[in-house]
Amino acid sequence: TQLLEQSPQFLSIQEGENLTVYCNSSSVFSSLQWYRQEPGEGPVLLVTVVTGGEVKKLKRLTFQFGDARKDSSLHITAAQPGDTGLYLCAGVRWGNSGGSNYKLTFGKGTLLTVNP
Amino acid sequence: EPEVTQTPSHQVTQMGQEVILRCVPISNHLYFYWYRQILGQKVEFLVSFYNNEISEKSEIFDDQFSVERPDGSNFTLKIRSTKLEDSAMYFCASRTGTSDHEQYFGPGTRLTVT
Repeated sequence: TQLLEQSPQFLSIQEGENLTVYCNSSSVFSSLQWYRQEPGEGPVLLVTVVTGGEVKKLKRLTFQFGDARKDSSLHITAAQPGDTGLYLCAGVRWGNSGGSNYKLTFGKGTLLTVNP
Repeated sequence: EPEVTQTPSHQVTQMGQEVILRCVPISNHLYFYWYRQILGQKVEFLVSFYNNEISEKSEIFDDQFSVERPDGSNFTLKIRSTKLEDSAMYFCASRTGTSDHEQYFGPGTRLTVT
């Protein structure tokens, strides 16, 4: 059983389309972070959401943290080929922030391909 | 923009050999982490480090693994006797302070054990 389930696992769309990817859990998280990872490289932080119900926007990307702090979504408007990559969600489980540890639990990711 | 750096980018070693992976965290960060990612699998937590001691380690981080901050800038992961299953990407990450959730990752070291 995966602590953080990401869906879909693979997504292939045409340039200009909108898309949403999801990160779901049965556990509560203190925070969720979205990263983007290119092949053979490290995850690059896109955003951190901390408050239940929080919405953050980063240009064409909109991130939402669920009210119950168990899920998050990433919506991309008018996708471009440059958006192609692996999108990872990672969270600090509620209770794991004690002692300032903040270890991250990762999902498996959504591999997005945007075709020109 | 400050970033986490890691060396080497790729390390090939024979089974049973010792390897040291090096990281330079962002300079004003106080919390340091090692994660690994086996090919095709998710990123997994190995160990967290603060105030010159391990604050938490996963079940993966057994007696073959150790971490050290030998000076004010480097953070190292040592594997004493490598196994084939240690082959993976190893990522270092760092974080500023007590209430800051954001972790910044380095580019990784690809470890190949033959």
